[in-house]
Amino acid sequence: GAVVSQHPSRVICKSGTSVKIECRSLDFQATTMFWYRQFPKQSLMLMATSNEGSKATYEQGVEKDKFLINHASLTLSTLTVTSAHPEDSSFYICSARGDRNEKLFFGSGTQLSVL
Amino acid sequence: QKEVEQNSGPLSVPEGAIASLNCTYSDRGSQSFFWYRQYSGKSPELIMFIYSNGDKEDGRFTAQLNKASQYVSLLIRDSQPSDSATYLCAVKVKAGTALIFGKGTTLSVSS
Repeated sequence: GAVVSQHPSRVICKSGTSVKIECRSLDFQATTMFWYRQFPKQSLMLMATSNEGSKATYEQGVEKDKFLINHASLTLSTLTVTSAHPEDSSFYICSARGDRNEKLFFGSGTQLSVL
Repeated sequence: QKEVEQNSGPLSVPEGAIASLNCTYSDRGSQSFFWYRQYSGKSPELIMFIYSNGDKEDGRFTAQLNKASQYVSLLIRDSQPSDSATYLCAVKVKAGTALIFGKGTTLSVSS
């Protein structure tokens, strides 16, 4: 199956710092990437949808100024958590969809811990 | 509000038994349905997807879809301890949109 690379896998940072998470599709062009967040024992919650070359579409309740998404190329999307706070600690997962493929492929996830 | 509901479990079965995982969804127009397996601290991995009413088999796994009842299930035959994980049901309402996930059912297979 298609490969989606996500890193870092784990980040521990101080409150107030910004953290960038990268998501790359390694063997296909991802026209659309989705960013999810998962709290312990909870479901994956969609944060935003990003299409290459255009602004991301954010879900209700997700602050676009806090969670900056850049999808500059067909193989790379980044999520930057700005001024992170302890309540932002969560498991962040990206997923990518190719133009002809309705299946989603997930990155390995990033566990963010804000102290 | 589009919703996907799953029994959180845990569902406990002995090794070799059949595990049955169930999921209901609220949007009658949903088009495609996915089952993912997630181990603790890891991202989900796709097990199966199904679009049409009826059964779809892949090895030890069988997905069943009943659109009239808005119900999708996953059967795991000959369950193994390595199948112990959280199983996420996901629904795509229409082509091109993101998946909506249920909270997952935790399966525990005892040897």
